[in-house]
Amino acid sequence: AQKITQTQPGMFVQEKEAVTLDCTYDTSDPSYGLFWYKQPSSGEMIFLIYQGSYDQQNATEGRYSLNFQKARKSANLVISASQLGDSAMYFCAMRERQGGSEKLVFGKGTKLTVNP
Amino acid sequence: DVKVTQSSRYLVKRTGEKVFLECVQDMDHENMFWYRQDPGLGLRLIYFSYDVKMKEKGDIPEGYSVSREKKERFSLILESASTNQTSMYLCASRLWDRDQPQHFGDGTRLSIL
Repeated sequence: AQKITQTQPGMFVQEKEAVTLDCTYDTSDPSYGLFWYKQPSSGEMIFLIYQGSYDQQNATEGRYSLNFQKARKSANLVISASQLGDSAMYFCAMRERQGGSEKLVFGKGTKLTVNP
Repeated sequence: DVKVTQSSRYLVKRTGEKVFLECVQDMDHENMFWYRQDPGLGLRLIYFSYDVKMKEKGDIPEGYSVSREKKERFSLILESASTNQTSMYLCASRLWDRDQPQHFGDGTRLSIL
């Protein structure tokens, strides 16, 4: 069963508008963390924002915020005031314990296109 | 600033060759990771290491091995390259603190002919 689900293969948004990218997760571990990464067409993976399962408040980083709904097991990324440079693939990931460390499990991504 | 360097941006090899992909980080991170990325499949973990000479299999280790002789360097080895290993390979590193993000290199686009 998929542990991270991103149901939107592609999304379109007008420049300066806000957009929400969906992410749902599945875990039985009471302590977990969720990450969002951006991957432009050049290929590098850029860390955007992190939410820990015990964090009381939703994470925010500049124009990025996380709409964390623990009971629904969702961690949606909200990008406010979209810019042309926001066009990229966006990946949601959850950390999972394995052996002596923690690994990340990634969703399949959402391709965001910002239109002028 | 954080820096993860992968030895090649593009690489073309032939079926049956032994292929080495190198990754170096300059942040004294304990954990290092190798992923492959294919269209529609996202990132899949091949191997990771949480200490020098330590390694753990990820989700798709078949056909690969790794080496971590020094803390800053993590090598991915394709023992006998096959065409189904044509892919984008991404290396990442992270501090021991599990709440810290992984930092990625720019990736190596590997083609096996």
